[in-house]
Parts: sequence; C-alpha cells; structure tokens
Amino acid sequence: NAGVTQTPKFRVLKTGQSMTLLCAQDMNHEYMYWYRQDPGMGLRLIHYSVGEGTTAKGEVPDGYNVSRLKKQNFLLGLESAAPSQTSVYFCASSYPGRFDYGYTFGSGTRLTVV
Amino acid sequence: AQTVTQSQPEMSVQEAETVTLSCTYDTSESDYYLFWYKQPPSRQMILVIRQEAYKQQNATENRFSVNFQKAAKSFSLKISDSQLGDAAMYFCAYRGQGGSEKLVFGKGTKLTVNP
Repeated sequence: NAGVTQTPKFRVLKTGQSMTLLCAQDMNHEYMYWYRQDPGMGLRLIHYSVGEGTTAKGEVPDGYNVSRLKKQNFLLGLESAAPSQTSVYFCASSYPGRFDYGYTFGSGTRLTVV
Repeated sequence: AQTVTQSQPEMSVQEAETVTLSCTYDTSESDYYLFWYKQPPSRQMILVIRQEAYKQQNATENRFSVNFQKAAKSFSLKISDSQLGDAAMYFCAYRGQGGSEKLVFGKGTKLTVNP
C-alpha cells in the first residue's frame, strides 16, 4: 500500500547511545516532516524538508539531526540520546500546494531512553 | 507564529449522544486550512474533517461537523450519535499556505465514550 513507512516501530536506548529513525514515502511528496508527541503536548515539529537535499529546523530541534539525501527518505538522528527524548515520533509527508489534504502520516515510532 | 489551543484536555459522552470539542487559533493570515485529526489507541493519525478558511459554509463528514467562526478564530468539532469507536485523542490543527506549509497542532482532547 502507498504511504509513509517508519522504521523501527519500537526502540529502547540507553542514555548516550545514538540511533537513526527512517521515514520512507512512495507518493513522490516533496515535503516531509518529523514530529514528536508527548502526553499533554500534542505534536511538535522537530525538523522538516521541502525537497531533496534541504532541511530546516522546527519548533524543538535540539538534540536531533536530519538528512534528506533522497526524495523518498527522511532520516532523523539522535547522536547522544537523553531521557528527555523519550517520546513517540511521527513522520509525515505532503505535496506542496496541496495543503487542503493535510498530511500523510506514518504509524509512529515509540522510543524509550533509559 | 500561529498557535492552536484546545482548552478541554478530556471530554466524555454517552453513546448515541452529541459532543462538541473546542479549538481556537491565532493567526495573521487570511487564507488557511483547519483540520481535526483522530488518534485512536493504535496511534495512527486519521484525518476527520477539514475546513477552508475562505469558505463560510461549515464542513460536514457524516456524523462529524464543524462550527467555523473565522472572526472569532474558533473551530469546534461536533460529533453526533457518538459511537464507542469514536473514543480517541482528537487534535485540532492549522496549516497556512506559505513556506513549508507546516501543520501546527493543539495539545489534544481525549474523548471517552460511555456505553
């Protein structure tokens, strides 16, 4: 099925470890986004990309890095994980100018940092 | 920067009754889109309904409808004939037309449906 695929779905990290979350979409969307969801906080934008090779900071970018080397993939990296990064992470994508349709979301990654 | 406020962290409704979830937003833009998303325990984000700011007519999708008051910057969601499957987190979201077209979310309302 076409859509946004996130891997992994669950992960437990120790403080200080690093990891990369992968987001892949097969809809030829230009725009891609990474959000984190915490209880009582809604979804907050971490980083986003408006095209291959471009990235930009969102609302809560500290402690994260991203890369968009290929149009269909958007990677979110944690270089040195901290307990404050325990969260559910969502990737989403969209066409520019098709803001009337909102986003297509992945199913989320639950990350626990101990 | 745009902000979205959902003032009801939790709501409950009896099955078959009607419930209204509130949302207000702040923006200086004249044209934009507003959305309600549903997030069941499965975590999947499901688009419930959308409203174009330049349209005065309120959007409806089956049992879901909105009350859009542009001057008041208010965008409430009404769920009629509530069903057990409506139990979920509901997020109000704003999307402008410029730049990256980012979605800005409210903090969410947890809806419980009682049998």
